[in-house]
Amino acid sequence: QVQLVESGGGVVQPGGSLRLSCAASGFTFRSYGMHWVRQAPGKGLEWVTFIRFDGSKEYYADSVKGRFTISRDNSKNTLYLQMNSLRPEDTAVYYCAKDDGEGSGYWYSDLWGRGTLVSVSS
Amino acid sequence: DIVMTQSPDSLAVSLGERATINCKSSQSLLYSSNNKNYLAWYQQKPGQPPKLLIYWASTRESGVPDRFSGSGSGTDFTLTISSLQAEDVAVYSCQQYYTSPPTFGGGTKVEIK
Repeated sequence: QVQLVESGGGVVQPGGSLRLSCAASGFTFRSYGMHWVRQAPGKGLEWVTFIRFDGSKEYYADSVKGRFTISRDNSKNTLYLQMNSLRPEDTAVYYCAKDDGEGSGYWYSDLWGRGTLVSVSS
Repeated sequence: DIVMTQSPDSLAVSLGERATINCKSSQSLLYSSNNKNYLAWYQQKPGQPPKLLIYWASTRESGVPDRFSGSGSGTDFTLTISSLQAEDVAVYSCQQYYTSPPTFGGGTKVEIK
């Protein structure tokens, strides 16, 4: 079954850290770039970060640059998002999303996970 | 960053009637070397993740009903639902992937009148 399953969300205090995981199945994970996209409560979608299929390059939104790190383990078909120095404005559902293009990708997503909620609050 | 502006914010359409959603980008999404518009449309139902409907502005994703169509070029794009069904109640968002960072419109909520 082709799917993405996120985990690792929860409640964290401002300044804290969380590590999200996304387990992929049903497709050749190592061939596709992967994104994290977030959605604050009642708001629209915001792209967060992208990693190339081979992990050779990463891209970040300015709002998370220097605080978040995307990585992947192609041997485990798993994508990660390490989130440090969390702020209340990082509160959102975080979606893992597969790029539709092999290799460098097209930068739109044809498969999304169900998301994991991150809440940053004291 | 490219700003994506959708209109209207919400619309109510009778079952079987046409729904039209607009998306305007702050710069052209047409790449001259391949004549493709780097625009996608997503559908998001309550409590669910986004679902890809349209890419390259007008190419329907596999399995998407043909009542959904995308059109437009350059900076102005439209998503049309030709005959609204009850299961089409959702928020629809456009996304440009012409340049990094990819950016989304604010979404249009479609309801039944």
